[in-house]
Amino acid sequence: DAGITQSPRHKVTETGTPVTLRCHQTENHRYMYWYRQDPGHGLRLIHYSYGVKDTDKGEVSDGYSVSRSKTEDFLLTLESATSSQTSVYFCAISDPGLVGNEQFFGPGTRLTVL
Amino acid sequence: GENVEQHPSTLSVQEGDSAVIKCTYSDSASNYFPWYKQELGKGPQLIIDIRSNVGEKKDQRIAVTLNKTAKHFSLHITETQPEDSAVYFCAASGDSNYQLIWGAGTKLIIKP
Repeated sequence: DAGITQSPRHKVTETGTPVTLRCHQTENHRYMYWYRQDPGHGLRLIHYSYGVKDTDKGEVSDGYSVSRSKTEDFLLTLESATSSQTSVYFCAISDPGLVGNEQFFGPGTRLTVL
Repeated sequence: GENVEQHPSTLSVQEGDSAVIKCTYSDSASNYFPWYKQELGKGPQLIIDIRSNVGEKKDQRIAVTLNKTAKHFSLHITETQPEDSAVYFCAASGDSNYQLIWGAGTKLIIKP
């Protein structure tokens, strides 16, 4: 998985609790992304980062925040989890130095909100 | 903004036959079109891509074709094998950013 790890890999939590998912890369890639994957919707972009402390919203950013204090780490926070945020979350990385816009994906985190 | 539609959502083919998955895009400025394969329990992985200055690209049993006029591109898999069973995603992007706009995915089932 191109030097990308996600933690935790599985999490079950209750509605209203805060949750933080971590993405860690060892590739020194500039761009990092958080997606959610749900049946029938494919991959939907939540937030992305184009450098340390530089982030922007994707198409489904409501209810999520992100932070990137180091090149290698990109955190996704659900401030108050809801059942609609039950999903599989993928982190991805890419770099302008690569040919094309290839994104490399982590193994995913399965989040269940009860 | 860009929108990518992918069809079919599920495709079942006999082992050894060919499979074709089609995508259409809306933004004529898009110039990069990758295809990703996602196996069960894993993240998507790039299998082939094409840029808008090329009409076709092949890599062994896999090929991608692009029709810029009609704004659609297709993935062709020949001589399908059991290990081709997976979910396939198309995507599109332009030079202006590093975001990919994704299709909804196609579940490919190879029947023995």
